[in-house]
Amino acid sequence: LAKTTQPISMDSYEGQEVNITCSHNNIATNDYITWYQQFPSQGPRFIIQGYKTKVTNEVASLFIPADRKSSTLSLPRVSLSDTAVYYCLVALDTGRRALTFGSGTRLQVQP
Amino acid sequence: NAGVMQNPRHLVRRRGQEARLRCSPMKGHSHVYWYRQLPEEGLKFMVYLQKENIIDESGMPKERFSAEFPKEGPSILRIQQVVRGDSAAYFCASSPPISGRAYEQFFGPGTRLTVL
Repeated sequence: LAKTTQPISMDSYEGQEVNITCSHNNIATNDYITWYQQFPSQGPRFIIQGYKTKVTNEVASLFIPADRKSSTLSLPRVSLSDTAVYYCLVALDTGRRALTFGSGTRLQVQP
Repeated sequence: NAGVMQNPRHLVRRRGQEARLRCSPMKGHSHVYWYRQLPEEGLKFMVYLQKENIIDESGMPKERFSAEFPKEGPSILRIQQVVRGDSAAYFCASSPPISGRAYEQFFGPGTRLTVL
């Protein structure tokens, strides 16, 4: 499975846009890129998934360049409630279904 | 539609005792996954089950740990003769049987096991 690298932590202020970049240099042709969010004492929650270019939903946007060796999760106008750990995952759409979590990025939003 | 249910939420055991963790998947989901999370670390996959079948147990410790997902009732993760190193948060996730996005797994709130 492709290994992912993302910053250990990030700080932001309310109302700012936050971009978290994940590197996955060994991504395979069939791999999808998925982001999960985890609040303290809770299970992870699916945020967004994409294969290439840009994906947007009500929560976030995901930008994937043409070479797919990295991806950027964009959170518009963060609030205090966005303080959480964000995980970038890369894995096959079919076959082995186990998710491989790295250490994630701990986002702290200040007032 | 209720989410993934796990119980108990907190479990305290003394060394050598058994721990039983239960997971009820979301309605309509027949795939269950168990993960373990140590403090300040990411989740580690343990086992993937479908009804009455273990599909992938590559993340399960070879001894003391077992999992089942019977035809009726919740999935059970069983840890025999617990040791202090088993103290962790154990998360269950479920997914529907057919999904174009295989990685949209839905997680429960977790069971926090403390071994004294």
